[in-house]
Amino acid sequence: EPEVTQTPSHQVTQMGQEVILRCVPISNHLYFYWYRQILGQKVEFLVSFYNNEISEKSEIFDDQFSVERPDGSNFTLKIRSTKLEDSAMYFCASTPGTGPQPQHFGDGTRLSIL
Amino acid sequence: AQKVTQAQTEISVVEKEDVTLDCVYETRDTTYYLFWYKQPPSGELVFLIRRNSFDEQNEISGRYSWNFQKSTSSFNFTITASQVVDSAVYFCALILGRGRIQGAQKLVFGQGTRLTINP
Repeated sequence: EPEVTQTPSHQVTQMGQEVILRCVPISNHLYFYWYRQILGQKVEFLVSFYNNEISEKSEIFDDQFSVERPDGSNFTLKIRSTKLEDSAMYFCASTPGTGPQPQHFGDGTRLSIL
Repeated sequence: AQKVTQAQTEISVVEKEDVTLDCVYETRDTTYYLFWYKQPPSGELVFLIRRNSFDEQNEISGRYSWNFQKSTSSFNFTITASQVVDSAVYFCALILGRGRIQGAQKLVFGQGTRLTINP
């Protein structure tokens, strides 16, 4: 069964550095998402992306964050000037089309800011 | 605004017991969809079920069953004859039926219930 893949599985970065989290959505999917889960807390929506532009973003997704689909397969989340509170698990998800379809999640990238 | 509440933070039962995980949601929309996801200790999010607001029929899948009641805005999840492998964090989540922006189908998650099944 096709799946969403995320790399790396664990990223350790010094505070203030930039980090790029990578995702390869399922190949025929059109809608892409990033979510964040701080340790022990709930999963929070960050941003949705369709047709090469952001569809919706949450209050968390400020100017520190950006997303990009640099080619036909990758979907990236860039975090600039990382802060300690950016430490979390970041999940990528995708759906084949609009509508309330189950979002297929990747295994996540655990980001640790030192 | 939409909101999902899972009041049970942690539940611990002995193997083979039945256990019910509660989920209460809030939305003003008449069209919406409810989901349950499982997050095992390995950390990934596994889709379990989707239910739309027009279908209140309960669903059973093996040892899993779901009870959707619009009158109480609840979508509870029951595991029958629990097993150690059921130990995980379970999240209830909500999507509105019509995204206000095309493609904006964000999931709103509850806080999750950590379920521990003891042998």
